[in-house]
Formats: sequence, structure tokens, C-alpha cells
Amino acid sequence: ETGVTQSPTHLIKTRGQQVTLRCSSQSGHNTVSWYQQALGQGPQFIFQYYREEENGRGNFPPRFSGLQFPNYSSELNVNALELDDSALYLCASSSDPDNTDTQYFGPGTRLTVL
Amino acid sequence: GEDVEQSLFLSVREGDSSVINCTYTDSSSTYLYWYKQEPGAGLQLLTYIFSNMDMKQDQRLTVLLNKKDKHLSLRIADTQTGDSAIYFCAESGGSYIPTFGRGTSLIVHP
Repeated sequence: ETGVTQSPTHLIKTRGQQVTLRCSSQSGHNTVSWYQQALGQGPQFIFQYYREEENGRGNFPPRFSGLQFPNYSSELNVNALELDDSALYLCASSSDPDNTDTQYFGPGTRLTVL
Repeated sequence: GEDVEQSLFLSVREGDSSVINCTYTDSSSTYLYWYKQEPGAGLQLLTYIFSNMDMKQDQRLTVLLNKKDKHLSLRIADTQTGDSAIYFCAESGGSYIPTFGRGTSLIVHP
């Protein structure tokens, strides 16, 4: 049990729709990172938020956006969904951006785009 | 860009040792990690090693790093059925953002 929770567990959307995924970080963790894990692949870094500001971004288009709130919760928003967006989305929290050695992952949200 | 390679599958008998191998290309790697992912679950950090170390032992887990060859291995002693999972190797450089391999599925049979 990492103390990091994600909702919903599973989600089905259709192409072109928008989706919001939610993450609740461990208390006191001011850094959250989001990853996309396609089937049979390792997680791919989407972006990181630190103190409510984007603090680094991977190779994902602008239709992937995020928010981080002062209460240790965060959101990943994806607009104009594509079939290839089907994946497990993981969030991970840490006490600061330099502490990936103590980065705790949530169980993920499984998104299916039809 | 950075690349992390792992073999996809490993099958061992219960009680034997498992060795999962990984190679990476980023010579500026600072941290190297091993994560475990069980079905339907997120990632669990098992252990990590700084790039200036060559070995780390933690109970049944031994990590070996050959920085010259950019080769990392994870040895699990006395492998149990509960160790069946996907194991991910990852590395991070100055950005502290890990780059993951595709994962090795470890199957432990009686």
C-alpha cells in the first residue's frame, strides 16, 4: 500500500472524447508524475508537476495536460482521444522532484478508447 | 535518446535463483532502478543503485552494475511463486525522470 490512489480504476471512451483521470498523492508529497503504459510496454513519462507547476514533459502532444492542487491531488486531462491512447495511466508521487528513489506509484487507471 | 533493453521472459523453478538482465545506453545515468509490477497493480520500487556503486544487496535481492558495459542485473535468491511478476529496469540521469525498459515477465513454477 503506497498511499497513492487513482480514480477511476477503469474507463471506456470513444475516439474524439475528452477524459480526466485523478490521482491523490501521499500526504506531504509536492511532486507528481504521470506515465502512460501501453500493453506490453514499460511506462512512458508524460509530465511532472511540482508545487502546482509543470516541471518537465515527455514526448506527448499538448492535448495531454495536467493540473495539481494544493491538497495533494492532481489530474491528467486528455482531449480528442485517439485509439492509441488506450493504456494504463499511472501517477507517482514523491517528496520533491529529485527524489525518484522514493517515488510511489498508484495502481493506475485502465483507459480503453473505442 | 536513452534506451533500456531487457529480455521479455524468464522461467525458473521455485527455490532457484533468478537473474534478470538489463542494458542501457545513457552514459550519464545517475540512478538505476528495479521495479516490480504484479497483475492489475502499479509499480513497486524494489531497489535502486547509484551509478558510482557496483553492487547492492537487500535481503534476497542483489543488484550488480557494470558501468563500463552499461549492464545491470537483478538476482533474486530462493525465488518463490509470489515473485512471479513483471520486472522493469529503469535509469535516470540529471532530470531524475526514469526511462523504463519493456519489462521481463518472471514465471516461477513449482
